[in-house]
Amino acid sequence: KQEVTQIPAALSVPEGENLVLNCSFTDSAIYNLQWFRQDPGKGLTSLLLIQSSQREQTSGRLNASLDKSSGRSTLYIAASQPGDSATYLCAVCHNNNDMRFGAGTRLTVKP
Amino acid sequence: GAGVSQTPSNKVTEKGKYVELRCDPISGHTALYWYRQSLGQGPEFLIYFQGTGAADDSGLPNDRFFAVRPEGSVSTLKIQRTERGDSAVYLCASSLQGAQDTQYFGPGTRLTVL
Repeated sequence: KQEVTQIPAALSVPEGENLVLNCSFTDSAIYNLQWFRQDPGKGLTSLLLIQSSQREQTSGRLNASLDKSSGRSTLYIAASQPGDSATYLCAVCHNNNDMRFGAGTRLTVKP
Repeated sequence: GAGVSQTPSNKVTEKGKYVELRCDPISGHTALYWYRQSLGQGPEFLIYFQGTGAADDSGLPNDRFFAVRPEGSVSTLKIQRTERGDSAVYLCASSLQGAQDTQYFGPGTRLTVL
Protein backbone atom coordinates (compact mmCIF):
# COMPACT_ATOMS: atom_id res chain seq x y z
CA LYS A 1 0.00 0.00 0.00
CA GLN A 2 1.30 3.43 -0.94
CA GLU A 3 2.44 5.54 2.00
CA VAL A 4 3.07 9.26 1.50
CA THR A 5 5.06 11.19 4.10
CA GLN A 6 5.61 14.92 4.28
CA ILE A 7 8.34 16.55 6.30
CA PRO A 8 8.25 18.85 8.16
CA ALA A 9 4.71 18.79 9.53
CA ALA A 10 4.92 22.51 10.21
CA LEU A 11 7.31 25.25 9.18
CA SER A 12 7.57 28.92 10.11
CA VAL A 13 9.84 31.27 8.16
CA PRO A 14 10.34 35.03 7.87
CA GLU A 15 9.13 36.74 4.73
CA GLY A 16 11.56 36.63 1.83
CA GLU A 17 13.15 33.30 2.67
CA ASN A 18 13.47 30.50 0.15
CA LEU A 19 12.17 27.19 1.46
CA VAL A 20 11.83 23.53 0.55
CA LEU A 21 9.01 21.16 1.44
CA ASN A 22 9.63 17.43 1.22
CA CYS A 23 7.45 14.53 0.17
CA SER A 24 8.39 10.85 0.09
CA PHE A 25 6.42 7.84 -1.13
CA THR A 26 6.98 4.12 -0.78
CA ASP A 27 5.71 2.78 -4.11
CA SER A 28 7.61 4.29 -7.05
CA ALA A 29 5.17 2.93 -9.67
CA ILE A 30 3.27 6.18 -9.83
CA TYR A 31 1.45 7.81 -12.72
CA ASN A 32 1.97 11.38 -11.58
CA LEU A 33 2.48 13.54 -8.51
CA GLN A 34 0.66 16.73 -7.60
CA TRP A 35 1.31 19.47 -5.10
CA PHE A 36 -1.74 21.21 -3.66
CA ARG A 37 -2.33 24.19 -1.43
CA GLN A 38 -5.11 24.20 1.15
CA ASP A 39 -6.22 27.29 3.04
CA PRO A 40 -8.09 26.86 6.35
CA GLY A 41 -11.66 25.72 5.81
CA LYS A 42 -11.21 25.59 2.05
CA GLY A 43 -10.79 22.96 -0.64
CA LEU A 44 -7.53 22.17 -2.37
CA THR A 45 -5.93 24.20 -5.14
CA SER A 46 -3.60 22.40 -7.52
CA LEU A 47 -0.20 24.06 -7.78
CA LEU A 48 1.88 21.74 -9.93
CA LEU A 49 1.38 18.39 -11.65
CA ILE A 50 4.44 16.31 -12.54
CA GLN A 51 3.99 13.32 -14.82
CA SER A 52 6.05 10.23 -13.99
CA SER A 53 8.29 10.84 -17.01
CA GLN A 54 9.13 14.38 -15.91
CA ARG A 55 11.76 15.58 -13.47
CA GLU A 56 10.37 18.97 -12.55
CA GLN A 57 7.71 21.59 -13.12
CA THR A 58 7.83 25.32 -12.51
CA SER A 59 5.13 27.92 -11.99
CA GLY A 60 6.16 31.41 -10.95
CA ARG A 61 7.99 31.22 -7.63
CA LEU A 62 7.25 27.51 -7.28
CA ASN A 63 9.37 24.64 -8.50
CA ALA A 64 8.57 21.00 -7.91
CA SER A 65 10.97 18.17 -8.56
CA LEU A 66 10.37 14.44 -8.83
CA ASP A 67 12.83 11.59 -8.31
CA LYS A 68 10.65 8.56 -8.88
CA SER A 69 13.37 5.98 -8.30
CA SER A 70 14.09 7.24 -4.81
CA GLY A 71 10.45 8.02 -4.04
CA ARG A 72 10.96 11.71 -3.38
CA SER A 73 9.57 15.05 -4.44
CA THR A 74 10.36 18.55 -3.26
CA LEU A 75 8.45 21.80 -3.56
CA TYR A 76 10.69 24.84 -3.61
CA ILE A 77 9.16 28.23 -2.85
CA ALA A 78 11.30 31.25 -3.67
CA ALA A 79 11.08 34.60 -1.91
CA SER A 80 8.24 33.52 0.38
CA GLN A 81 5.40 35.94 1.15
CA PRO A 82 2.82 36.04 3.97
CA GLY A 83 0.20 35.10 1.38
CA ASP A 84 1.98 31.77 0.91
CA SER A 85 0.88 30.73 4.40
CA ALA A 86 -1.24 27.60 3.98
CA THR A 87 -1.01 23.83 4.20
CA TYR A 88 0.82 22.23 1.30
CA LEU A 89 -0.19 18.70 0.35
CA CYS A 90 1.62 16.21 -1.83
CA ALA A 91 -0.40 13.51 -3.62
CA VAL A 92 0.71 10.58 -5.75
CA CYS A 93 -1.57 9.03 -8.32
CA HIS A 94 -1.46 5.54 -9.77
CA ASN A 95 -2.83 4.71 -13.18
CA ASN A 96 -5.98 3.32 -11.61
CA ASN A 97 -6.82 6.86 -10.48
CA ASP A 98 -6.16 6.02 -6.85
CA MET A 99 -4.63 9.19 -5.38
CA ARG A 100 -2.85 9.06 -2.02
CA PHE A 101 -2.15 12.20 -0.04
CA GLY A 102 0.40 13.06 2.58
CA ALA A 103 -0.73 14.74 5.80
CA GLY A 104 0.65 18.07 4.61
CA THR A 105 3.11 20.71 5.75
CA ARG A 106 1.59 23.72 7.49
CA LEU A 107 3.57 26.77 6.38
CA THR A 108 3.54 30.12 8.13
CA VAL A 109 5.38 33.06 6.55
CA LYS A 110 5.83 35.88 9.01
CA PRO A 111 5.87 39.49 7.78
CA GLY B 1 -17.42 27.61 -16.39
CA ALA B 2 -17.64 27.70 -12.62
CA GLY B 3 -15.52 25.48 -10.42
CA VAL B 4 -16.58 22.40 -8.49
CA SER B 5 -19.40 23.14 -6.07
CA GLN B 6 -20.61 21.11 -3.11
CA THR B 7 -23.76 21.33 -1.05
CA PRO B 8 -24.43 21.69 1.76
CA SER B 9 -21.31 23.41 3.08
CA ASN B 10 -22.11 22.16 6.57
CA LYS B 11 -24.29 19.29 7.74
CA VAL B 12 -25.03 18.39 11.33
CA THR B 13 -26.91 15.18 11.94
CA GLU B 14 -27.61 12.72 14.70
CA LYS B 15 -26.10 9.28 15.00
CA GLY B 16 -28.08 6.75 13.01
CA LYS B 17 -29.50 9.20 10.48
CA TYR B 18 -29.13 9.13 6.70
CA VAL B 19 -27.32 11.95 4.84
CA GLU B 20 -26.73 12.91 1.23
CA LEU B 21 -23.90 15.11 0.05
CA ARG B 22 -23.96 16.62 -3.42
CA CYS B 23 -21.18 17.49 -5.84
CA ASP B 24 -21.45 19.51 -9.06
CA PRO B 25 -18.27 19.00 -11.09
CA ILE B 26 -16.81 21.32 -13.69
CA SER B 27 -18.86 21.07 -16.87
CA GLY B 28 -17.35 18.60 -19.33
CA HIS B 29 -15.22 16.76 -16.76
CA THR B 30 -15.78 13.05 -17.10
CA ALA B 31 -13.80 12.01 -14.01
CA LEU B 32 -15.16 12.67 -10.52
CA TYR B 33 -13.65 11.77 -7.16
CA TRP B 34 -14.83 11.74 -3.56
CA TYR B 35 -12.41 12.08 -0.64
CA ARG B 36 -12.76 12.33 3.12
CA GLN B 37 -10.48 14.55 5.20
CA SER B 38 -10.12 14.37 8.95
CA LEU B 39 -8.55 17.16 10.98
CA GLY B 40 -4.80 17.36 10.49
CA GLN B 41 -4.76 14.69 7.80
CA GLY B 42 -4.59 14.65 4.04
CA PRO B 43 -7.66 13.66 2.03
CA GLU B 44 -8.44 9.95 1.91
CA PHE B 45 -9.67 8.50 -1.39
CA LEU B 46 -13.20 7.09 -1.32
CA ILE B 47 -14.47 6.54 -4.87
CA TYR B 48 -13.76 7.47 -8.47
CA PHE B 49 -16.31 7.81 -11.30
CA GLN B 50 -15.57 7.75 -14.99
CA GLY B 51 -18.77 8.98 -16.60
CA THR B 52 -21.73 7.33 -14.93
CA GLY B 53 -19.92 4.29 -13.60
CA ALA B 54 -17.95 3.84 -10.41
CA ALA B 55 -14.57 2.80 -11.81
CA ASP B 56 -12.99 2.36 -8.39
CA ASP B 57 -14.88 2.24 -5.09
CA SER B 58 -12.11 0.56 -3.11
CA GLY B 59 -11.84 3.49 -0.70
CA LEU B 60 -15.39 3.32 0.62
CA PRO B 61 -14.96 2.27 4.28
CA ASN B 62 -18.01 -0.01 4.49
CA ASP B 63 -21.41 -0.71 2.97
CA ARG B 64 -23.01 2.25 4.74
CA PHE B 65 -21.35 4.46 2.15
CA PHE B 66 -22.65 4.63 -1.41
CA ALA B 67 -22.27 7.11 -4.27
CA VAL B 68 -24.05 7.63 -7.56
CA ARG B 69 -23.58 9.71 -10.68
CA PRO B 70 -26.62 8.76 -12.79
CA GLU B 71 -26.15 11.20 -15.67
CA GLY B 72 -22.39 11.50 -15.63
CA SER B 73 -22.39 14.95 -14.10
CA VAL B 74 -23.73 15.61 -10.58
CA SER B 75 -22.78 13.03 -7.96
CA THR B 76 -24.33 12.24 -4.60
CA LEU B 77 -22.50 10.56 -1.73
CA LYS B 78 -24.93 8.76 0.55
CA ILE B 79 -24.19 7.65 4.09
CA GLN B 80 -26.62 5.41 5.94
CA ARG B 81 -26.86 4.94 9.72
CA THR B 82 -24.28 7.63 10.36
CA GLU B 83 -21.75 7.15 13.15
CA ARG B 84 -19.73 9.73 15.07
CA GLY B 85 -16.61 8.46 13.33
CA ASP B 86 -18.07 9.60 10.00
CA SER B 87 -17.55 13.22 11.05
CA ALA B 88 -15.10 14.79 8.61
CA VAL B 89 -14.90 17.11 5.62
CA TYR B 90 -16.04 15.36 2.46
CA LEU B 91 -14.28 16.70 -0.62
CA CYS B 92 -15.25 16.25 -4.24
CA ALA B 93 -12.92 16.77 -7.20
CA SER B 94 -13.23 16.50 -10.95
CA SER B 95 -10.77 16.24 -13.80
CA LEU B 96 -11.14 16.40 -17.55
CA GLN B 97 -10.63 12.72 -18.29
CA GLY B 98 -8.75 10.96 -15.53
CA ALA B 99 -5.46 10.40 -13.77
CA GLN B 100 -3.38 12.28 -16.31
CA ASP B 101 -5.23 15.53 -15.67
CA THR B 102 -5.21 18.04 -12.84
CA GLN B 103 -7.90 17.47 -10.23
CA TYR B 104 -9.99 20.49 -9.27
CA PHE B 105 -11.48 20.39 -5.79
CA GLY B 106 -14.68 21.77 -4.36
CA PRO B 107 -14.79 23.56 -0.99
CA GLY B 108 -16.05 20.46 0.79
CA THR B 109 -18.96 19.56 3.04
CA ARG B 110 -18.24 19.49 6.75
CA LEU B 111 -20.25 16.63 8.24
CA THR B 112 -20.75 16.49 12.00
CA VAL B 113 -22.45 13.47 13.52
CA LEU B 114 -23.60 14.10 17.08
